[in-house]
Amino acid sequence: QKEVEQNSGPLSVPEGAIASLNCTYSDRVSQSFFWYRQYSGKSPELIMSIYSNGDKEDGRFTAQLNKASQYVSLLIRDSQPSDSATYLCAVYSSASKIIFGSGTRLSIRP
Amino acid sequence: GAVVSQHPSWVICKSGTSVKIECRSLDFQATTMFWYRQFPKQSLMLMATSNEGSKATYEQGVEKDKFLINHASLTLSTLTVTSAHPEDSSFYICSARGQGTGYTFGSGTRLTVV
Repeated sequence: QKEVEQNSGPLSVPEGAIASLNCTYSDRVSQSFFWYRQYSGKSPELIMSIYSNGDKEDGRFTAQLNKASQYVSLLIRDSQPSDSATYLCAVYSSASKIIFGSGTRLSIRP
Repeated sequence: GAVVSQHPSWVICKSGTSVKIECRSLDFQATTMFWYRQFPKQSLMLMATSNEGSKATYEQGVEKDKFLINHASLTLSTLTVTSAHPEDSSFYICSARGQGTGYTFGSGTRLTVV
């Protein structure tokens, strides 16, 4: 089992709709969770971090964490073409390092 | 905010030569530096972790004699790919962590070995 799992996609969402990205992790004691956006050929950029159960909202982005189910999600409201990218879920593991999922490719169609 | 400058952004080298990649933290002290490698359409794979002034800790399967990491100061870490081969062609990214700064990524280096 991979430490951090994501569907590779591509996930195609119409412009203006809600994009929902999901991630599961195996390290039960993980405490910190991150969502990064990566454009092709570029370095990842941090979108959201979440540390406690529940929802965290920042503009059009909402991160959701359920530690009991070992599940993290990212919702993008009012999706824009510029949101088309690969979204990486990352978990700060008990080994004091960030482990990345394989990423989900998101495509927003006009 | 915290900024990490990574150079070069891209490099082409001949098989058998060595290439050095630099990461500098511009406005904070990077106590820990992480080096990642990313092959096309794959995720970032952690290669090694280095703390300033200490030897790097390499992930399983990463050859420490091939990928030399130096973190001699709180603002500079280097990764040297020695005797590079075409299979080393990849996107290399550093990430720095300092006191209260979280994780800041460099812009990445695209290495092509011909």
